[in-house]
Amino acid sequence: GAVVSQHPSRVICKSGTSVKIECRSLDFQATTMFWYRQFPKQSLMLMATSNEGSKATYEQGVEKDKFLINHASLTLSTLTVTSAHPEDSSFYICSARDSASNNEQFFGPGTRLTVL
Amino acid sequence: QQQVKQSPQSLIVQKGGISIINCAYENTAFDYFPWYQQFPGKGPALLIAIRPDVSEKKEGRFTISFNKSAKQFSLHIMDSQPGDSATYFCAARGGANNLFFGTGTRLTVIP
Repeated sequence: GAVVSQHPSRVICKSGTSVKIECRSLDFQATTMFWYRQFPKQSLMLMATSNEGSKATYEQGVEKDKFLINHASLTLSTLTVTSAHPEDSSFYICSARDSASNNEQFFGPGTRLTVL
Repeated sequence: QQQVKQSPQSLIVQKGGISIINCAYENTAFDYFPWYQQFPGKGPALLIAIRPDVSEKKEGRFTISFNKSAKQFSLHIMDSQPGDSATYFCAARGGANNLFFGTGTRLTVIP
């Protein structure tokens, strides 16, 4: 299947700082990428849909000014957690949709964010 | 509102046994039903998927059974192995190709 990478795999930061997470589709182009958040022993919660060249669509209850999403190219989307606080600590997972593979979503390995 | 309901929450199976995980949905507009396997600290990986016009799909030890009229589908893992121990999520795809995930099943296969 198609490969999606995420960087960094884990990050620890101080409260109040901003953290950027990158999501890349390595062997296909993705006009649409998705960002999920997963708490321990829970399911994936869709945060936003990222569309190349346009503004992201955020799910209800997700602060767009808190979680900035940029999808500047067909292979890269970034999620920036601004002014991070301990409650933002979570596992963030991206996925990329491959239109050449039945619009299948391929998931990245996730980024563990810990805010001290 | 949980669009896809999944059970059981956890499952313990002996090596060589059959693991069965069930899911149910309400929205008849869903057009694709994938299952994902997730190991701790990793992203979900597509295991097997089915369309609603098919009643069963088998890939190796993994089989999806789909009952369109009941709006239910299930994953069967035959000859379960300790390496199958992971969390399994069912999902359903709706408009805008969004995926709606079940709550997950933690499978433990004991030797």
